[in-house]
Amino acid sequence: EIVLTQSPGTLSLSPGERATLSCRASQSVSSSYLAWYQQKPAQAPRLLIYGASSRATGIPDRFSGSGSGTDFTLTISRLEPEDFAVYYCQQYGSSPSFGGGTKVEIK
Amino acid sequence: QVQLVQSGAEVKKPGASVKVSCKASGYTFTGYYIHWVRQAPGQGLEWMGRINPNSGVTNYAQKFQGRVTMTWDTSISTAYMELSRLRSDDTAVYYCARDLIPGGWLQLYDYWGQGTLVTVSS
Repeated sequence: EIVLTQSPGTLSLSPGERATLSCRASQSVSSSYLAWYQQKPAQAPRLLIYGASSRATGIPDRFSGSGSGTDFTLTISRLEPEDFAVYYCQQYGSSPSFGGGTKVEIK
Repeated sequence: QVQLVQSGAEVKKPGASVKVSCKASGYTFTGYYIHWVRQAPGQGLEWMGRINPNSGVTNYAQKFQGRVTMTWDTSISTAYMELSRLRSDDTAVYYCARDLIPGGWLQLYDYWGQGTLVTVSS
């Protein structure tokens, strides 16, 4: 099983700032099968990014993903108030796994 | 619009079983795999397995083999997840989620149910 490690655990930022979240895999993620989800309290996760860099339907362009192999990044260019949440990376394919999450909180 | 609506919260004793339902609407139920993902309190996400509502073929995560059963009822567009021999560490919110691609599985989830809290306590 591929283990995903997210960092930092918590990111304290102000609205308007740039957020950079990291996801590192224990082995190479094939075909860049790496996704990012956003989860707000008491809500189900929402798919943001798949294929490492493709935005899901309806996701604003301030969200972008990059990376390949074992190192991936989610960037939120300018934080909006609704972006403060927990973000999970996921490698998908035959045996999916999720990272432990990064909480983006208001500073 | 696509919706997945799950059954309500459950409280179970250790050793019991729980069955959670997931009613789909707004799309062709047999056209997309349904997955089950759980989240323990304050923890991350864990994939449990998937079912093809067109054929009934299932695939379970190794961790849950022998304890989980996923079924479906096409006539009412509903998928079910039953977990047996419950333990306290099975306390979690259980989600159903639809696969992104029609007719196959990619393990990407574009629509989710609202979640069902299952509490296991003596």
